[in-house]
Amino acid sequence: DTAVSQTPKYLVTQMGNDKSIKCEQNLGHDTMYWYKQDSKKFLKIMFSYNNKELIINETVPNRFSPKSPDKAHLNLHINSLELGDSAVYFCASSFRPGQGGEKLFFGSGTQLSVL
Amino acid sequence: GIQVEQSPPDLILQEGANSTLRCNFSDSVNNLQWFHQNPWGQLINLFYIPSGTKQNGRLSATTVATERYSLLYISSSQTTDSGVYFCAGAYNFNKFYFGSGTKLNVKP
Repeated sequence: DTAVSQTPKYLVTQMGNDKSIKCEQNLGHDTMYWYKQDSKKFLKIMFSYNNKELIINETVPNRFSPKSPDKAHLNLHINSLELGDSAVYFCASSFRPGQGGEKLFFGSGTQLSVL
Repeated sequence: GIQVEQSPPDLILQEGANSTLRCNFSDSVNNLQWFHQNPWGQLINLFYIPSGTKQNGRLSATTVATERYSLLYISSSQTTDSGVYFCAGAYNFNKFYFGSGTKLNVKP
């Protein structure tokens, strides 16, 4: 199936640990994103990559480091996890503006719980 | 950044009823989309609608770009329409700003 897939779906970990979330899309898109959804359901962009180049880098602690090995993959590594990092993290993809078809497609989310 | 205001924040409907959700933007956007987050948390893209009107089954959306607002119409609502509806807008580089959502509960 064509989709944006991210793993794992659930991540429960202790404070101070390091964890990674992986994302892959097979829609042929050239732009990928990480969004954070807080407990009040508010969605905020964290990062965006276009063809492996970082184009959006919001005010996010430097404990969060995205990595894009190719345009179909975007991973998120989080160091020294804190309680406040608990949230749902969504990966998404689209075409870059001007190319048409800029619809944003989301993965199913990773619910991160830091204990 | 762009402020996105959605109304109403909460909506309860009886199955079969119609409703209109509204989204206002503080600044111009050239990419506007509507999403449905179902009770299982999945975000589904409903419309890409920077201007004009589109229809998809019982759903339709209208964006008046010059007045910086968009409307989502749900007709003959069904229980499967329940969830949270988000609008999002971007101006260049697909840096989307999301509204806080309208939580819809359709009762049988």
